[in-house]
Amino acid sequence: GAVVSQHPSWVICKSGTSVKIECRSLDFQATTMFWYRQFPKQSLMLMATSNEGSKATYEQGVEKDKFLINHASLTLSTLTVTSAHPEDSSFYICSARGSTGGAYQPQHFGDGTRLSIL
Amino acid sequence: GENVEQHPSTLSVQEGDSAVIKCTYSDSASNYFPWYKQELGKRPQLIIDIRSNVGEKKDQRIAVTLNKTAKHFSLHITETQPEDSAVYFCAARNNQGGKLIFGQGTELSVKP
Repeated sequence: GAVVSQHPSWVICKSGTSVKIECRSLDFQATTMFWYRQFPKQSLMLMATSNEGSKATYEQGVEKDKFLINHASLTLSTLTVTSAHPEDSSFYICSARGSTGGAYQPQHFGDGTRLSIL
Repeated sequence: GENVEQHPSTLSVQEGDSAVIKCTYSDSASNYFPWYKQELGKRPQLIIDIRSNVGEKKDQRIAVTLNKTAKHFSLHITETQPEDSAVYFCAARNNQGGKLIFGQGTELSVKP
């Protein structure tokens, strides 16, 4: 159980393109989803937290107009990198947490999306 | 702010030996501590977690210990195997059920 599906797994596109990444919880309802960015050989850097039906909460230094997050349902959240540039190239990973279990609810990760901007 | 420190950053052991990774956290309100294993280019995978009301938890070759007073928690892997080679991340979450704060990661290499 607790499967999180993320698509696409790999994106290569030209500078100035907007890219949408989808994150789905397949067998549970994810009241909260998280979006992370990970550089090679580094830890996971939280970009934003989204709760179903409300606006995302962005971490300090993350541009909300650059990284648009939508959490329209209990099983789907999307991250759109708008007008992507080479410096946005990275590994983006989503994570989801269900509503049962309260503060001890485990958090499960998607497979990640490797974004390369030329 | 909240912080999680993880050591060592790299760890190399011989197959069959034990490996220990240590983390400290700063937020005394932290009450949930998961450990993730991430293989190259793959998702972080939850391998074990512990709650603040428990001092130790074991699952086959993996165990985690928690010292709330010292704000330390550790991952212990016994009888290591080459397939244990990966990057391991510790994390902490506070009692408000908020975001996970991750450690810097430990690259474990198990040599056959």
